[in-house]
Amino acid sequence: KAGVTQTPRYLIKTRGQQVTLSCSPISGHRSVSWYQQTPGQGLQFLFEYFSETQRNKGNFPGRFSGRQFSNSRSEMNVSTLELGDSALYLCASSSISSYNEQFFGPGTRLTVL
Amino acid sequence: KNEVEQSPQNLTAQEGEFITINCSYSVGISALHWLQQHPGGGIVSLFMLSSGKKKHGRLIATINIQEKHSSLHITASHPRDSAVYICAVRHAGGTSYGKLTFGQGTILTVHP
Repeated sequence: KAGVTQTPRYLIKTRGQQVTLSCSPISGHRSVSWYQQTPGQGLQFLFEYFSETQRNKGNFPGRFSGRQFSNSRSEMNVSTLELGDSALYLCASSSISSYNEQFFGPGTRLTVL
Repeated sequence: KNEVEQSPQNLTAQEGEFITINCSYSVGISALHWLQQHPGGGIVSLFMLSSGKKKHGRLIATINIQEKHSSLHITASHPRDSAVYICAVRHAGGTSYGKLTFGQGTILTVHP
């Protein structure tokens, strides 16, 4: 089985722009979670989607949003980018039968200039 | 106070040494994860625990639910074990049900 894939792997944007990141889970996995990793704050939970519904949300401003499609692929969007949004964005997928076990993608490194 | 605390934050060892990384948490959990992250690399899940002890090769993870504490042990450490080790807990209830909260990570460097 192919692992979790994320595109793009690297992205450079300027302040005020918006960005969309994509995550394709492992085949058969219906849960996708998104995380932000920064040197100062470490790893933080953004949101979780299951069967196209947002099941959980972390403490991030409304500029951060996401969605999941019927094929379980997920996207996250950040609008009005700020310098502090520079981070590694990771997604992870899990199956219904083994919900607690998460498989992480390689991440998207976003740099905001 | 953070909900998940790891210690130590940095750890340097000589090849062959026995290593222990600790994780304490203050919330009710359904599972605890130990993750490994190499520089510039993605995250690999090493263990998922809800009770007791698990072993995989030279790695051993234990959890004490009553004391809200987990340890990750590496026996006969090797330079390739150098990485950041992260403890994460999945919340069991309340408004945070299902969320993962992460420790700050332990940077391990093993010298040959």
